[in-house]
Amino acid sequence: RKEVEQDPGPFNVPEGATVAFNCTYSNSASQSFFWYRQDCRKEPKLLMSVYSSGNEDGRFTAQLNRASQYISLLIRDSKLSDSATYLCVVNRAGYALNFGKGTSLLVTP
Amino acid sequence: NAGVTQTPKFRILKIGQSMTLQCAQDMNHNYMYWYRQDPGMGLKLIYYSVGAGITDKGEVPNGYNVSRSTTEDFPLRLELAAPSQTSVYFCASSPGQGAREKLFFGSGTQLSVL
Repeated sequence: RKEVEQDPGPFNVPEGATVAFNCTYSNSASQSFFWYRQDCRKEPKLLMSVYSSGNEDGRFTAQLNRASQYISLLIRDSKLSDSATYLCVVNRAGYALNFGKGTSLLVTP
Repeated sequence: NAGVTQTPKFRILKIGQSMTLQCAQDMNHNYMYWYRQDPGMGLKLIYYSVGAGITDKGEVPNGYNVSRSTTEDFPLRLELAAPSQTSVYFCASSPGQGAREKLFFGSGTQLSVL
């Protein structure tokens, strides 16, 4: 099992739709979880951290399920500007982070 | 406040050539990292540093070297470029441990080795 697995997509959704991505991780000792956003040929940028109790930031909601070892990202009312690749990131031992390969989202008019 | 600055943005090398990718941050972050991203793949950690004078290997350090003589600068050296090193390289920094803190990335260096 890969350390961090994501469905690469692409997810094609119309504007205004709700879309959800899941990410599974293999290291049960992982403590920190993040979603980063990466636009084409650009650097990744932190979208949000994922907390055990779940957290929301505007149209974005992140959830953590430790028992099943997955995290999710829900995007409501999708905008054209949400089109990007979403990277699931989970900490490894020490200072390192494991980056998933990313899930591609395309929001269409 | 420029954040994390990487140079050059693009570079083509011939096999066996050497080069240094520059990375500088002006946020006084202790932690700095070098990642590479191959097409369709996740970022892989090459080297990291927890402060001036301290560096350590990441997942894929072979073929690379780093130094950290100041808090601001963290250059990545390729001594004998190989086609397998064709990739996009990102430098990043964080105020605390990257496992708990937000990473600030530079805009990347697209390197092709031919």
